Amino acid sequence: QQQVKQSPQSLIVQKGGISIINCAYENTAFDYFPWYQQFPGKGPALLIAIRPDVSEKKEGRFTISFNKSAKQFSLHIMDSQPGDSATYFCAATDRGSTLGRLYFGRGTQLTVWP
Amino acid sequence: DTAVSQTPKYLVTQMGNDKSIKCEQNLGHDTMYWYKQDSKKFLKIMFSYNNKELIINETVPNRFSPKSPDKAHLNLHINSLELGDSAVYFCASSTRYRGQDEKLFFGSGTQLSVL
Repeated sequence: QQQVKQSPQSLIVQKGGISIINCAYENTAFDYFPWYQQFPGKGPALLIAIRPDVSEKKEGRFTISFNKSAKQFSLHIMDSQPGDSATYFCAATDRGSTLGRLYFGRGTQLTVWP
Repeated sequence: DTAVSQTPKYLVTQMGNDKSIKCEQNLGHDTMYWYKQDSKKFLKIMFSYNNKELIINETVPNRFSPKSPDKAHLNLHINSLELGDSAVYFCASSTRYRGQDEKLFFGSGTQLSVL
């Protein structure tokens, strides 16, 4: 059972456009929602993260929007650049759990055309 | 200095062979993981260790055996390799305290190809 559902599977955006990736979860115990970025041949790396006590977090061109009642969160990439082309994973975890496990979405392959 | 390093980068082997992948982290983290990434990029957790103690053991065939000689190292040994084991294997580490934000640091991966 997929704990975090991510869409779309792939996304093609023109340079300068907005890229939007959506995720949904069911477990109300989740209280930390990171996004990881993975370039070809590399391991995933933390990009940005949010806790459910805020509805939005922005870091440069990257923004997470969080809707606690809908149990959904999304990543917006403003002014998308070819260098943003990568695979993006949303994730969720219960920080109070002893397991310390991150549940990943299935990933979104983003391609930004110049 | 590479924070999480794993070797080898590429591993090509025949079905039925036994192989090992090594992982070391110099971040002083207590928790280490093995993830498997299939051809569709899906990241699946396999194991996690905290201070050399096995914490998470997902539904992984017994042919996969992790070994943590100390908290800076987590190796993965695979017996009787099968075609379906072909994937990219990632080692990761984190400082895991309950109630705190978790940040995973991943290695660059080991591309395993079973022929």
